[in-house]
Amino acid sequence: GQQVMQIPQYQHVQEGEDFTTYCNSSTTLSNIQWYKQRPGGHPVFLIQLVKSGEVKKQKRLTFQFGEAKKNSSLHITATQTTDVGTYFCASEAISNFGNEKLTFGTGTRLTIIP
Amino acid sequence: DSGVTQTPKHLITATGQRVTLRCSPRSGDLSVYWYQQSLDQGLQFLIQYYNGEERAKGNILERFSAQQFPDLHSELNLSSLELGDSALYFCASSYTSGSYDEQFFGPGTRLTVL
Repeated sequence: GQQVMQIPQYQHVQEGEDFTTYCNSSTTLSNIQWYKQRPGGHPVFLIQLVKSGEVKKQKRLTFQFGEAKKNSSLHITATQTTDVGTYFCASEAISNFGNEKLTFGTGTRLTIIP
Repeated sequence: DSGVTQTPKHLITATGQRVTLRCSPRSGDLSVYWYQQSLDQGLQFLIQYYNGEERAKGNILERFSAQQFPDLHSELNLSSLELGDSALYFCASSYTSGSYDEQFFGPGTRLTVL
């Protein structure tokens, strides 16, 4: 089935540095969602991208959907300790029942060095 | 607080045993999803129900089963437990069954099999 590959798996950055995680697919994606999971917590929805080339911002977070809708990125400017966590992308896949379901990438775990 | 509740929060049991995890979706949500998250792993999709019917199935073992009841709460049954079943089990809910709805995750049930 369709899969999204997420890189890197781990990222350690100094506080104040930027951070980017990428999701890549071999097939065209209809949409992409991003979730954040804090250590010890549960995944929380951040945003959804649907249109080709779409860019959305949430304060220091910038989300981008590729022109070909085969990749997406999440960029955090000037990281803070509150950004610690694992970031997952998720996109539509076809289930064994023939309908669509959301499938999650492997996640990027971000740690911040104070 | 996502509005999704899961019980119990922690469960410790022995190999060969059977356990039931319970999930109540957000008020108004018709879809319930079950995920397994092992240590340092991503979210493995297990199964989805929509309005009482099975909608999508992931890598769910035959020893595992689930159902959604008329009041829309769901239960995940894990039997003949093995050490490798130790993991965090998340339930999530959404309004529709499609991939465009954000999913709201519960706090999870941490299962430890000794």
